[in-house]
Amino acid sequence: QSALTQPASVSGSPGQSITISCTGTSSDVGSYNFVSWYQQHPGKAPQLLISEANQRPSGVSNRFSGSKSGNTASLTISGLQTEDEAHYYCFSYAGGLTRIFGGGTKLTVL
Amino acid sequence: QVRLMEFGGGVVQSGRSLRLSCEDTGFAFRDNAMHWVRQSPGKALEWVAAISYDGDNEAYMDSVKGRFTISRDRGKTTYLQMDSLRVEDTAVYFCAREVNFALDVWGQGALVTVSS
Repeated sequence: QSALTQPASVSGSPGQSITISCTGTSSDVGSYNFVSWYQQHPGKAPQLLISEANQRPSGVSNRFSGSKSGNTASLTISGLQTEDEAHYYCFSYAGGLTRIFGGGTKLTVL
Repeated sequence: QVRLMEFGGGVVQSGRSLRLSCEDTGFAFRDNAMHWVRQSPGKALEWVAAISYDGDNEAYMDSVKGRFTISRDRGKTTYLQMDSLRVEDTAVYFCAREVNFALDVWGQGALVTVSS
């Protein structure tokens, strides 16, 4: 049960776009489109941004989008804003009720 | 408004037990699988355990198998019984509701500190 692989950090300037990758295996990320993404600010509970690889829940900004190809899922944030500075995590189905998180990515908005 | 609240965190010695509770204040989670997720200080989120909507199926991360037990009653509470606690189990523990294989509602977290 090794964590899914995410870059430790990414950065961008306000208004720019960034993409965070999440790489797993054919047993988790690659098995179905059951990948979700979360934003976590310091000291707060995570918040759901994307479900089922590319579905945006009601209330989530359309600046957040998701995609998946093979064993890699991606989260793209467009029109970066200072409040986007946070940690981002991917989360995947891994068989039955088993799930797995990515190692997390710290986004810095310069 | 649907909400989850965790109870039962605290400081405990290594080798002892602790039980966390997760209360559904909106009575909205009876048809959903429920999960426990933890986060050690300064570290990433870590999936810990899950239980099916009917309580008939469970799953655990490898490092807690045989020590932690997830359960739920037919009302509004999900539990995490943690036995043989280790220093490395020190973390904030979150409960969360699953919908369409995503965790859409989270509690505020309960801090568990295991001392040596």
